[in-house]
Amino acid sequence: GENVEQHPSTLSVQEGDSAVIKCTYSDSASNYFPWYKQELGKRPQLIIDIRSNVGEKKDQRIAVTLNKTAKHFSLHITETQPEDSAVYFCAATSTGTASKLTFGTGTRLQVTL
Amino acid sequence: NAGVTQTPKFRVLKTGQSMTLLCAQDMNHEYMYWYRQDPGMGLRLIHYSVGEGTTAKGEVPDGYNVSRLKKQNFLLGLESAAPSQTSVYFCASSSRPRNVAGGEQFFGPGTRLTVL
Repeated sequence: GENVEQHPSTLSVQEGDSAVIKCTYSDSASNYFPWYKQELGKRPQLIIDIRSNVGEKKDQRIAVTLNKTAKHFSLHITETQPEDSAVYFCAATSTGTASKLTFGTGTRLQVTL
Repeated sequence: NAGVTQTPKFRVLKTGQSMTLLCAQDMNHEYMYWYRQDPGMGLRLIHYSVGEGTTAKGEVPDGYNVSRLKKQNFLLGLESAAPSQTSVYFCASSSRPRNVAGGEQFFGPGTRLTVL
């Protein structure tokens, strides 16, 4: 089955700096890669996703890049703000698997003033 | 629309007791999922369903059973609770993707279960 590894487990940045979270996956058939944000005590919510037919996707201050050859994908947050503080999860799935997601273990991002 | 709801929000059980967690969605989604979330381990899939009357095992199914008698509801049962089942349980739902992989999964608010 799929295995997703996520680094770092914790990340502290100053407000205004950029944050990068990296994930690797093992199944070359995986072709959908979402990122979820989970605030303390809340449910996970999708913030951005990418399919394997593109290499990069941006949505305002967040972007995701995908390298299919190396089987890794990354989340980039620019101009970080205190409200970006949360746990971020990457995940992967492939066609024909009922969209079952395999999640990374999460990155706790702390944005300090 | 309420989205995805879960009942109860909190529960404390004694070892050996049984309980059922209820998940309901009002988005007419075909797919539904049960995850458990433990510190440092992310979200792990317990069971899932691709439609009314169907269920399948996920990554960590042992000790749990599920049923999907109605499209909008997905029940997770613990027949004989164990301390190792202390966790936060999330239900999620998504629509069936059309010719592509994936699609947003919408999560419920979670159920915090403690087994003593």
